[in-house]
Parts: sequence; structure tokens; C-alpha cells
Amino acid sequence: GAGVSQSPSNKVTEKGKDVELRCDPISGHTALYWYRQSLGQGLEFLIYFQGNSAPDKSGLPSDRFSAERTGGSVSTLTIQRTQQEDSAVYLCASSSTSGSLKQFFGPGTRLTVL
Amino acid sequence: AQTVTQSQPEMSVQEAETVTLSCTYDTSESDYYLFWYKQPPSRQMILVIRQEAYKQQNATENRFSVNFQKAAKSFSLKISDSQLGDAAMYFCAYRSWTYSGGGADGLTFGKGTHLIIQP
Repeated sequence: GAGVSQSPSNKVTEKGKDVELRCDPISGHTALYWYRQSLGQGLEFLIYFQGNSAPDKSGLPSDRFSAERTGGSVSTLTIQRTQQEDSAVYLCASSSTSGSLKQFFGPGTRLTVL
Repeated sequence: AQTVTQSQPEMSVQEAETVTLSCTYDTSESDYYLFWYKQPPSRQMILVIRQEAYKQQNATENRFSVNFQKAAKSFSLKISDSQLGDAAMYFCAYRSWTYSGGGADGLTFGKGTHLIIQP
């Protein structure tokens, strides 16, 4: 597609459920980033992929969070046993290479945990 | 670790006027990149302008310009001839120069400034 797309746009879930958030980067972009935007913490960097590999997962908030990327394209961010503090907007960005200065952002997924 | 501080939660300006958004940062690195991003209600972050720390000349993009003071670790954004479409959240962001293959490639953001344009 022309830009980074994310789905779903909005997700409401109950505490304790698992959720999957999807990111489709711009075609050909090898680098992919996940960020979380919440009222309390602002914008936080979560994880970065170069191709299918995530060299550093230390930005993930807890072990309930995991992310994968397959085929060097689509990425999913999975949150297990969701908690209310997980409520936030999850933004995905991609760039042509890991060294590129320009990250193109998607519209985000707003996650609400009841 | 780097930190980015935006001390103005909200700013208001009359249409066609000039407004300056403040940003300070803390880092021990000598080479890095600084960015201003705009986030309209659609949530999609849009890159407004960037500055390489090694460049002394302030970056400009049409009505947008920065005042980069490396010694003071200050990076303010000036918007000239403000337009209604400029209304948005503005985020200052930092990125390390060195590619480490990990978190260094992620952006560190400030808390943002909500810019209101008065018609």
C-alpha cells in the first residue's frame, strides 16, 4: 500500500484477554518499529525489527508483550492477559532501512482494556 | 539514557502569527538527530523537520524552522504564518547517531505540546 496500515483501528477488550495488533509496513521497508502512546507515559519505543529479527526486546513493558515479524513484512504485537494499564494507542512505523532517518507512521490502534 | 522535555503542554496562537515551541534534551552523545513530529487528530505522526547535530545551520522547511542550540541542548520549533491546519500535537524527538542494531534506532519523544490556532 501507499502508507503504513494498522489493524484494527480500535480494539476494546476485557481484562485478562489476549489481543493481537497488526502492522503492514510500506512495501520494501526493511525496518519496522512499535511505539506505545499513553496518557501517563507519553510515547514510548517498544521494539524494532530489521527484517524479521528484533535485536533488542528490552523496551517491551513486560513478558506479556511479544512481537514478531514474518516474511520481512507484516508484524504483530501480541499482548497476553491484558491489564487496564495496557490501554493506549499502539503506533507502528517503518523505514526503508535501519539507518534511514525518516520513519513513516501508521494511524495506530487504540486499545481499551475494560 | 536520553530524555526529551517539552515544557509547554499547550500553546495558542492567532492565525497568521508566529509561534515557537520549546524542547530541551539531555544526552551524553555528541552526534545525534533531532526531529519535530506533528500528530493531528487522525493520530498519524508526520515528520515536520529534522536536524543533524553535527550541522550548525538551523534546518528550515517552508514555514517551519528550528533554533538548534547544541551547547544548551535546546531545539525549538518556530512556525511562521500559522494556519488552521497547523493545529495538532507537536512532539520533539531524539535519535542516536550510531546504529547499534537495537533500541538506539528508536525515537525518544517528549510529552508533546498541543498547538491551538485561533481563527
